[in-house]
Amino acid sequence: AQSVTQLGSHVSVSEGALVLLRCNYSSSVPPYLFWYVQYPNQGLQLLLKYTSAATLVKGINGFEAEFKKSETSFHLTKPSAHMSDAAEYFCAVSVSSSASKIIFGSGTRLSIRP
Amino acid sequence: EAQVTQNPRYLITVTGKKLTVTCSQNMNHEYMSWYRQDPGLGLRQIYYSMNVEVTDKGDVPEGYKVSRKEKRNFPLILESPSPNQTSLYFCASPLPGNTIYFGEGSWLTVV
Repeated sequence: AQSVTQLGSHVSVSEGALVLLRCNYSSSVPPYLFWYVQYPNQGLQLLLKYTSAATLVKGINGFEAEFKKSETSFHLTKPSAHMSDAAEYFCAVSVSSSASKIIFGSGTRLSIRP
Repeated sequence: EAQVTQNPRYLITVTGKKLTVTCSQNMNHEYMSWYRQDPGLGLRQIYYSMNVEVTDKGDVPEGYKVSRKEKRNFPLILESPSPNQTSLYFCASPLPGNTIYFGEGSWLTVV
């Protein structure tokens, strides 16, 4: 069975600093991997997804993530944090191309210090 | 515009009083799902549907029912709500290729 672990329920960085949100997955078959963002009082928005093409995936708002099979990781990064990046971020895994079964991590709340 | 619409957005109800949260999508998708979001637990799938009249349990189906009588609608039914069902609920509709469209969420409080 697949699972997702997000390390750190809360991450705080200074504006302009590197953002690194960690995600490790467990899957018996090649996975589809996602990062979603949730701004306060809003639904979830897809940041980026990995579907077995390029291992470095670029998403919206300057975020990117690298699929590392040997480390079973899919960490999310952004070179320079902006105040508007403050939100909750969810990593998710699916082994179905139909997306009928997606497992979400517990989420990481990102805070940005001025 | 692609949309998943759920109602109500906010509801306070009492233990045992049946309620339904509606969900509708305008994308003619076959797949629809319901999730609940709780602090520290992320999103957990309650039920999903692969097509009309085809539904299956997710990870936390206890206390919930669903139906899929038409493609666009996928209501979530709480026959006898309990306080442990106080949560934020999301309806979602994925495309093959895994892009998921989420509704804006329904805050449910059971007292």
